[in-house]
Amino acid sequence: ETGVTQTPRHLVMGMTNKKSLKCEQHLGHNAMYWYKQSAKKPLELMFVYSLEERVENNSVPSRFSPECPNSSHLFLHLHTLQPEDSALYLCASSQAATGTPYEQYFGPGTRLTVT
Amino acid sequence: QKEVEQNSGPLSVPEGAIASLNCTYSDRGSQSFFWYRQYSGKSPELIMSIYSNGDKEDGRFTAQLNKASQYVSLLIRDSQPSDSATYLCAVLNAGGTSYGKLTFGQGTILTVHP
Repeated sequence: ETGVTQTPRHLVMGMTNKKSLKCEQHLGHNAMYWYKQSAKKPLELMFVYSLEERVENNSVPSRFSPECPNSSHLFLHLHTLQPEDSALYLCASSQAATGTPYEQYFGPGTRLTVT
Repeated sequence: QKEVEQNSGPLSVPEGAIASLNCTYSDRGSQSFFWYRQYSGKSPELIMSIYSNGDKEDGRFTAQLNKASQYVSLLIRDSQPSDSATYLCAVLNAGGTSYGKLTFGQGTILTVHP
């Protein structure tokens, strides 16, 4: 595997379900991000983990719960979602260090539909 | 509020022409600037990054940055139908952190017609 991978690629879930999205980066990076991309809206940053510590939480509802067990893996746990949560969820990674280019590389995304 | 603005388009250019994509940003503390290409149904792909005023060229792509005017542009020379995609401008202000927070524009839809 190369780059950033995400599973599943597509997910349909009911409002009462619990599911998890998985992201794995093979780039040797130590910062990982979750973004949400909804139709006709800019990419929205949800969470940032740097050196396995959550450093940003952009007012995301508690029904989204991130987890970063190590620098290569990132999860997004989902429960009791709403239909408006249907979107493309993107994982990205970068090298965290002051003065570096901060280039972020994205995974293929998970297309989530909440019914 | 920190914003990144792009003309949503669609921008339509003939094959072989130069496509010019523009982006303005509001945060004067922004340090790094990126262009991502996103094909329909796919994730964003980093195609250019620029950190200093002036031009940066990579193949058919040229990024231009003017921090005084808070303006970033992307030129695509010899446009091909395969360049048809949404182009996202992203601006970063690390704010003293080591990881960097990107703010994205809404994207410009580019269509290159044969």
